[in-house]
Amino acid sequence: EAGVVQSPRYKIIEKKQPVAFWCNPISGHNTLYWYLQNLGQGPELLIRYENEEAVDDSQLPKDRFSAERLKGVDSTLKIQPAELGDSAVYLCASSLVSTGELFFGEGSRLTVL
Amino acid sequence: GEDVEQSLFLSVREGDSSVINCTYTDSSSTYLYWYKQEPGAGLQLLTYIFSNMDMKQDQRLTVLLNKKDKHLSLRIADTQTGDSAIYFCAESPKTLSGGSYIPTFGRGTSLIVHP
Repeated sequence: EAGVVQSPRYKIIEKKQPVAFWCNPISGHNTLYWYLQNLGQGPELLIRYENEEAVDDSQLPKDRFSAERLKGVDSTLKIQPAELGDSAVYLCASSLVSTGELFFGEGSRLTVL
Repeated sequence: GEDVEQSLFLSVREGDSSVINCTYTDSSSTYLYWYKQEPGAGLQLLTYIFSNMDMKQDQRLTVLLNKKDKHLSLRIADTQTGDSAIYFCAESPKTLSGGSYIPTFGRGTSLIVHP
């Protein structure tokens, strides 16, 4: 069974440019999470989806960040415009509602110059 | 608010036992987790424990939970060089909306295993 797939693995952009990250969760997992991981830190939740509904997005900087999960499967996280402080790893995870186990993708590492 | 604290580094000799400690603040936590992250990879769940348990053992891993002190530990027996990684402690209450879990992670403990 395929795990959580994220792309791109690495992205280098200049500040003020837009960037988008894509996540394909494990088949059948109805909960999808986007986490931000800064260097030397633990993951911090940005947004959580239950199927196609964003149910917890209080930590998402909505002035520049947006996310969507069309048809309750794949998800996209967008930053526009990117700032230097956005350099980090963006992790996607999925889970079944009935369990507490999150399955993480390998992450998308963003460098903003 | 929720807060998970861990020591940042632990160095052990190969073959010894490793003990990684964690404290948390949310007394309503239902699940407590240990995740492992190797360089350039995502997090992988190692084990978890329900809040009504004191101990859980899984092969070389032993998790101890002290609810009174809100203290969680992970013991790795016969530590190997392949165990070198960052270990994250996380806690999660069960949410009211949809019954999902939202783990809050510590900063991670970097385990270094030397020959």
